[in-house]
Order: sequence, then C-alpha cells, then structure tokens
Amino acid sequence: EVQLVESGGDLVQPGGSLRLSCAASGFTFSNYWMNWVRQAPGKGLVWVSRINNDGGSTTYADSVKGRFTISRDNAKNTLYLQMNGLRAEDTALYYCARYAGSSDLDYWGQGTLVTVSS
Amino acid sequence: DIVMTQSPDSLAVSLGERATINCKSSQSVLRSSNNKNYLAWYQQKPGQPPKLLISWASTRESGVPDRFSGSGSGTDFTLTISTLRAEDVAVYYCQQYETTPRTFGQGTKVETK
Repeated sequence: EVQLVESGGDLVQPGGSLRLSCAASGFTFSNYWMNWVRQAPGKGLVWVSRINNDGGSTTYADSVKGRFTISRDNAKNTLYLQMNGLRAEDTALYYCARYAGSSDLDYWGQGTLVTVSS
Repeated sequence: DIVMTQSPDSLAVSLGERATINCKSSQSVLRSSNNKNYLAWYQQKPGQPPKLLISWASTRESGVPDRFSGSGSGTDFTLTISTLRAEDVAVYYCQQYETTPRTFGQGTKVETK
C-alpha cells in the first residue's frame, strides 16, 4: 500500500526556518517525481515545488523561490522541504504528493501544518 | 502562469441529480506533440487530502465510480457527476499540469439541496 507521511510542521516566528519531511513507503520511491502542495486554512490548493526522481532537477513557485529548497534521500525514501525566511502567508497545511507520469498527483499524504506567527 | 477559473464557486444539487462543474484555462493545456490535455480533476472532502479523480481531462483513475466523467479540450473542460450521491459532497478542483507552475482552479463546493 502506498503511504506518504509528512512531519515537521510547527508554529514558527516570522523569519524562522523549518524542515518538513515526507516518508514514503509501498512503492519504489526513486522511480517517482515528488511534489509539495500547500493549502492555507479554508483556502484552495497551491503548488509549491517539485523534484525529479534522482533529485537532479527542481522547480519552485515564484512565491517560495530563493527561500524554500526541495530535496530527497532515495536511500531513506524521504522527501524534504527546507523552509527559510518564513512569512505569515506561508501558513498552510503542506502536502507531499507523488507524480505518476501516466496520470497526475495520484497519492497524497495527510499533510503537516505550518503556522507562521509571532 | 496559466490561470484556471472554475464555475460555479458552489452548487447545490439534489441526490440523484446531475452536477456539472466547468473549468477554463487562460491558455490551452493541449500539448500538440501527443494530443493530450494536461488537465486533472481532484476531489477533496473535509479533513482529507485531495484525491485524484480524472487525469488527461477524461481518464478516470482506477476505482473512481463511473458516475464521474470529464470532458473538454484546449481551454474548456467539464466535470460531470451524473447522479449525485451523499458521499460526493466535497470541493472539486481542476488543475493543469501542462506547464510549470502547475495551477489549480479556486475550487467548486458541491452540496446537497
């Protein structure tokens, strides 16, 4: 069974840093591109970042470029999102999602909540 | 960035009736090299992550009931729930994945009348 489990969300002050993790199981992690998508409370879905299967290619939304870094450890079956320079508008539930080339984002985790507030 | 606009923002449908959600993209998501529309539909129930229903504009994911169907091409797309069931109450999002950044519609909330 495919599982994605996010962790690392917390309450952090503006300007602070946080690292999110997404532990994958039930599939060959190194074969899949992975994404982070966020959802502010009561709002819609916003794509944040994606990484290819070997970690050699990454892309970011303009709103997080230069502040967030996506990475992966295929030996540990884990996806990461390093978040620096956090702002109030980064407050959201952060989901990791698997990209299936034959379809789209076919599996999602339950999300981890990041709250940026003083 | 491609802007995705859904209509309506919400709709109330009687159980057993049809629900139709529209999605319009600001530019075509049809890739000419493979003639595929890079358009997906997701369902999100309260407190749950999104669930992929349809990709390539009209291909249902495995296990998705056939009362869900997607249609359209280029810039105009539709998600239809042929006979609404109580478990279909949710927010539905369209999303394009033809270009980066992927962009989602604002969501359409489907409720029962």
